[in-house]
Amino acid sequence: EDQVTQSPEALRLQEGESSSLNCSYTVSGLRGLFWYRQDPGKGPEFLFTLYSAGEEKEKERLKATLTKKESFLHITAPKPEDSATYLCAVPFGDYKLSFGAGTTVTVRA
Amino acid sequence: ETGVTQTPRHLVMGMTNKKSLKCEQHLGHNAMYWYKQSAKKPLELMFVYSLEERVENNSVPSRFSPECPNSSHLFLHLHTLQPEDSALYLCASSQDRTATNEKLFFGSGTQLSVL
Repeated sequence: EDQVTQSPEALRLQEGESSSLNCSYTVSGLRGLFWYRQDPGKGPEFLFTLYSAGEEKEKERLKATLTKKESFLHITAPKPEDSATYLCAVPFGDYKLSFGAGTTVTVRA
Repeated sequence: ETGVTQTPRHLVMGMTNKKSLKCEQHLGHNAMYWYKQSAKKPLELMFVYSLEERVENNSVPSRFSPECPNSSHLFLHLHTLQPEDSALYLCASSQDRTATNEKLFFGSGTQLSVL
């Protein structure tokens, strides 16, 4: 069964304490993996798309990497403004983008 | 305005009420989506419209009825809802017909409470 699983469910970090979030997936023929950020009371906001194993994308303190079975979102020296829920998603079928349940990151000053 | 706008932001309704959620996108996109987000659960795709034609109905109960009068507007009509339908309802749009290679642009959602 095609599915997307994120871990951990929640992550509490001290400002400057780097860490990683995991997104594992089971799908036949990956056609891309998306990362989104969601702030409280808002809809998800696109961060990255990764298409092939070994690919990396960076944006400020965030770096996303992809292997054949999972993706990692690395947060380097996080700041309080990086606090959010991070969602990964994988396409299944023509129109369906299946999301994981998300990792809620809290960064304390 | 820019992006995707949803109204109302919050809605409380009884199980016998009829209400509608509205979504408008100002991005010139061709596809629009309704997603349901419940606490601690993944986003669930409900409906997909491409060029005003419904192309996906993800086994959603008939008490949810979508309408797409043009490529910029999307509605979700609600009637005789159940308490378990309480959730954040998100509208999204994308440039192309599919979501597989296109990033989605989301609105801020309507937080629905069914009493």
